[in-house]
Amino acid sequence: VVMTQSPLSLPVTLGQPASISCWSSQSLVYSDGNTYLNWFQQRPGQSPGRLIYNVSSRDSGVPDRFSGSGSGTDFTLKISRVEAEDVGTYYCLQSTGWPYTFGQGTRLEIK
Amino acid sequence: EVRLVESGGGLVQSGGSLRLSCAASGFIVDSDYMIWVRQAPGRGLECASVLYPGGSTNYLHSVKGRFTISRDTSKNMLFLQINSLRVEDTAVYYCVRGYDGDVWGQGTTVTVSS
Repeated sequence: VVMTQSPLSLPVTLGQPASISCWSSQSLVYSDGNTYLNWFQQRPGQSPGRLIYNVSSRDSGVPDRFSGSGSGTDFTLKISRVEAEDVGTYYCLQSTGWPYTFGQGTRLEIK
Repeated sequence: EVRLVESGGGLVQSGGSLRLSCAASGFIVDSDYMIWVRQAPGRGLECASVLYPGGSTNYLHSVKGRFTISRDTSKNMLFLQINSLRVEDTAVYYCVRGYDGDVWGQGTTVTVSS
């Protein structure tokens, strides 16, 4: 499954919203009815950390300004109001079928 | 606290071998999917190998036959044996818990020289 993200670079003003799209080359709905689409944040110099799993479930400790949505082959990560600590690269990951595949990454920077 | 700590990376010549280790704490390695994810310099993320709870394995096509993932439940550790190393295997290798990647280690760097 090929995962495609857009945009690849995202300059955002502090306090403004941001949106990242992720498309899959085939449906990510598994035979059990679940959709295994996850979002990760990688801050500069750090390991990736999960933000969202199963399309829209936010991980413990993740600020509620982050939200995930979508279905089938079309998914979105939204940040309602960007803060300085949000700088980094964001990746979507499909784990519906092996090999699990990531999107190319979206680099978020502050304008 | 759930934690993963990788080790074993280094500088190796093309054609050489390395064994990466991942020490797990706070959970049992055979209770969940365990994945090795790699990130080449300035590049994105790639799932190289997975070890399922039942013991079966799977590999990215480009590493099949050269990489072997395994675990030692007595030590609660995950391993990745990498043989016939290629320059394109140069990357940070992360040990990751779960098919949905809920816990990541800090990574260990593998550099392959020609």
